Amino acid sequence: NAGVTQTPKFQVLKTGQSMTLQCAQDMNHEYMSWYRQDPGMGLRLIHYSVGAGITDQGEVPNGYNVSRSTTEDFPLRLLSAAPSQTSVYFCASSYPGTGGADTEAFFGQGTRLTVV
Amino acid sequence: GENVEQHPSTLSVQEGDSAVIKCTYSDSASNYFPWYKQELGKGPQLIIDIRSNVGEKKDQRIAVTLNKTAKHFSLHITETQPEDSAVYFCAATPITGNQFYFGTGTSLTVIP
Repeated sequence: NAGVTQTPKFQVLKTGQSMTLQCAQDMNHEYMSWYRQDPGMGLRLIHYSVGAGITDQGEVPNGYNVSRSTTEDFPLRLLSAAPSQTSVYFCASSYPGTGGADTEAFFGQGTRLTVV
Repeated sequence: GENVEQHPSTLSVQEGDSAVIKCTYSDSASNYFPWYKQELGKGPQLIIDIRSNVGEKKDQRIAVTLNKTAKHFSLHITETQPEDSAVYFCAATPITGNQFYFGTGTSLTVIP
């Protein structure tokens, strides 16, 4: 059971380049989300999905796009990278508990992105 | 939206002592409060959680308390060990879904 798998682990981009961060889970979780982690700011929600075909914005969505065509995959796209997007990105998945609000979130190992 | 504040940002304790990390939240609709431990180079991992209908929960050396009236919850680690050294995050989840709002983290160092 692999859990949540993120690729790549490290990436360096030039300003203006685009790329896709991959996230896959094999736990049949309905909920998936993307967070960015910056020093002194904890983890901030970028986008999330409550199921295939459904996505919504989190706290810091600007500059990022997502799609959810399957239950397993939730890629995060940077269309035109900026230095402010230098961060560590984490993908998480969870299964809705009673009321859809209380269930453990499983995190991937993270992708460290540097934009120069 | 929800706002979670966490204190202290860094904490050093001697091995065997207790450590306490405190968090406050703003949205009275939040009803699930997990604590995550993050080791260097890894993703956060759940260590304990508490739901709004419970005031305290304990799991071996780790305990969490919740005061819904005051909107604060705390993590207590007793008999600390060097392997407890890590960054700890609190989080709150509103009733509407699994959108976790995290605190800014506490870097705990246990000195042997």
